[in-house]
Amino acid sequence: DAGITQSPRHKVTETGTPVTLRCHQTENHRYMYWYRQDPGHGLRLIHYSYGVKDTDKGEVSDGYSVSRSKTEDFLLTLESATSSQTSVYFCAISPGTGGTHGYTFGSGTRLTVV
Amino acid sequence: QQQVKQSPQSLIVQKGGISIINCAYENTAFDYFPWYQQFPGKGPALLIAIRPDVSEKKEGRFTISFNKSAKQFSLHIMDSQPGDSATYFCAASGGQGAQKLVFGQGTRLTINP
Repeated sequence: DAGITQSPRHKVTETGTPVTLRCHQTENHRYMYWYRQDPGHGLRLIHYSYGVKDTDKGEVSDGYSVSRSKTEDFLLTLESATSSQTSVYFCAISPGTGGTHGYTFGSGTRLTVV
Repeated sequence: QQQVKQSPQSLIVQKGGISIINCAYENTAFDYFPWYQQFPGKGPALLIAIRPDVSEKKEGRFTISFNKSAKQFSLHIMDSQPGDSATYFCAASGGQGAQKLVFGQGTRLTINP
């Protein structure tokens, strides 16, 4: 998707290892979000950021941490991966509050924890 | 806590038919209701959105119907085409949570040729 890139696209990791997913944007948008997508649950918010070094928790934040040291990068870290964190992770960006401007999503990262 | 409930989970429609997906919400502070379309291997993309000051919004073959008193909104796809086969998500935001969208569970739509 134009202006937003997620890396890696696919990753397989072992239980208990740390994992970091990266979201990079070139749109200079203020808001950035991490969601996970699971069958039957739709998209659930993990964490979001409303500026550099400004982050807040979403509804499923346990086991995840985030950092945003630059406007363009938003990192999601699983400190000690568990099988329940096997999912597809999506980053999204928005120029203003998501409720008035909508989101632009990245292409996702498929994470498998074995 | 599921604040937006979406149905059905899956839907099969014949080409040329009308596809209807429904969503219900609980938070009366919600004031923005978008629909997203997702193709396999891709991220969701904004399709159409509505605010509660209107009861209907139409863009091409896609229409959102909104019922504020019932706290429900729906997506209608007229003259459904095989290219419309995708997963659709409704979402909502507003009030103290205006900066983040709450999504429904998703509907996998299949249009048979």
